[in-house]
Amino acid sequence: QKEVEQNSGPLSVPEGAIASLNCTYSDRGSQSFFWYRQYSGKSPELIMSIYSNGDKEDGRFTAQLNKASQYVSLLIRDSQPSDSATYLCAVNDPTSGSARQLTFGSGTQLTVLP
Amino acid sequence: DGGITQSPKYLFRKEGQNVTLSCEQNLNHDAMYWYRQDPGQGLRLIYYSQIVNDFQKGDIAEGYSVSREKKESFPLTVTSAQKNPTAFYLCASGGTSYYGYTFGSGTRLTVV
Repeated sequence: QKEVEQNSGPLSVPEGAIASLNCTYSDRGSQSFFWYRQYSGKSPELIMSIYSNGDKEDGRFTAQLNKASQYVSLLIRDSQPSDSATYLCAVNDPTSGSARQLTFGSGTQLTVLP
Repeated sequence: DGGITQSPKYLFRKEGQNVTLSCEQNLNHDAMYWYRQDPGQGLRLIYYSQIVNDFQKGDIAEGYSVSREKKESFPLTVTSAQKNPTAFYLCASGGTSYYGYTFGSGTRLTVV
């Protein structure tokens, strides 16, 4: 059973702070890693993807990947109230057809306090 | 614009009734997926299809059925055998492992 674990929430940070969201995965063969943001009552939207060890930055978002530790994280700098949402970590299953099937974590609910 | 469309946005089902949720994509993706999400919970996989005319059960397939007659379409039927169908239903499609999934806007199903 493929597993993707996220740090249990909810997580609250003050406006302007750095929010850190963490995720571990069980299959060492996974190659593609994604972060989705889901606002309450809405569908998930892809905000970051990462495939190589290290950091990937996109605006206020930084994804970090450490394949040796089987760990992926998302940092949100200068957090805004509009970042308040549930963040889902997703990892590809390398044993699935075309290795494209994703396993999702249960999500971490983030609240940014004004 | 390419995307994935789910309809209806809201659906009400009476006891003992079958209902069908629509999912259409124009992204030319081979794979399509149906998820169920309950309040405050994660995504649970109902069914998925990697190619036309083929589909597999996910973790919670009981009480649901699907078809995949066209690449663009993957409708989900919630049958009367599903005793607790009230939930948010999400359809997704995927191309290669490089790009992840694209989700539709979801259908909120309520039993009345």
